[in-house]
Amino acid sequence: EDQVTQSPEALRLQEGESSSLNCSYTVSGLRGLFWYRQDPGKGPEFLFTLYSAGEEKEKERLKATLTKKESFLHITAPKPEDSATYLCAVQAYSSASKIIFGSGTRLSIRP
Amino acid sequence: DTAVSQTPKYLVTQMGNDKSIKCEQNLGHDTMYWYKQDSKKFLKIMFSYNNKELIINETVPNRFSPKSPDKAHLNLHINSLELGDSAVYFCASSGGGPYNEQFFGPGTRLTVL
Repeated sequence: EDQVTQSPEALRLQEGESSSLNCSYTVSGLRGLFWYRQDPGKGPEFLFTLYSAGEEKEKERLKATLTKKESFLHITAPKPEDSATYLCAVQAYSSASKIIFGSGTRLSIRP
Repeated sequence: DTAVSQTPKYLVTQMGNDKSIKCEQNLGHDTMYWYKQDSKKFLKIMFSYNNKELIINETVPNRFSPKSPDKAHLNLHINSLELGDSAVYFCASSGGGPYNEQFFGPGTRLTVL
């Protein structure tokens, strides 16, 4: 069964303190791995898609990487506005348009 | 110029009532989805339509019935509401093909009393 596990569940950092969020997955033929950001009371906002092991993508202070078993979302010198829940999701070749989400990491950045 | 919109934003109702949530996307996408996010923030897919055709139907009580009048609209009707239906419901759309990222609406918070 396709599965996504995110860790840690919650992470509190000081402004400027870099860290990484983890997304471990098991899927029968990975079509794509997605990262989303969700602010309280809003819908998830698309950040990145990764397709193959070794791929990396960057956007401002965020960098996403992918291996055959996991993905990391690296946050460099975060600011308070980076506080949000970060969701990881996977899509398998066998599952048409269906994507499976992890439970998210709640990131809080203190000024 | 909202890409994916949902109405209403909040819905408070009594057990046993029937209610509908509407979703519209102006992205020109072919595929639309309904997700349920529970109190633990876990997002779970319920339904997906591609060009008005149902393609994903997860294990959801048949009190939930999606309807897609055209590819820009996907509505969700819920009969005989139960306490456990309380959650945030998100609509999303995607363009399909190899770049299957989904774009989400702002959500509808349903509270069943």
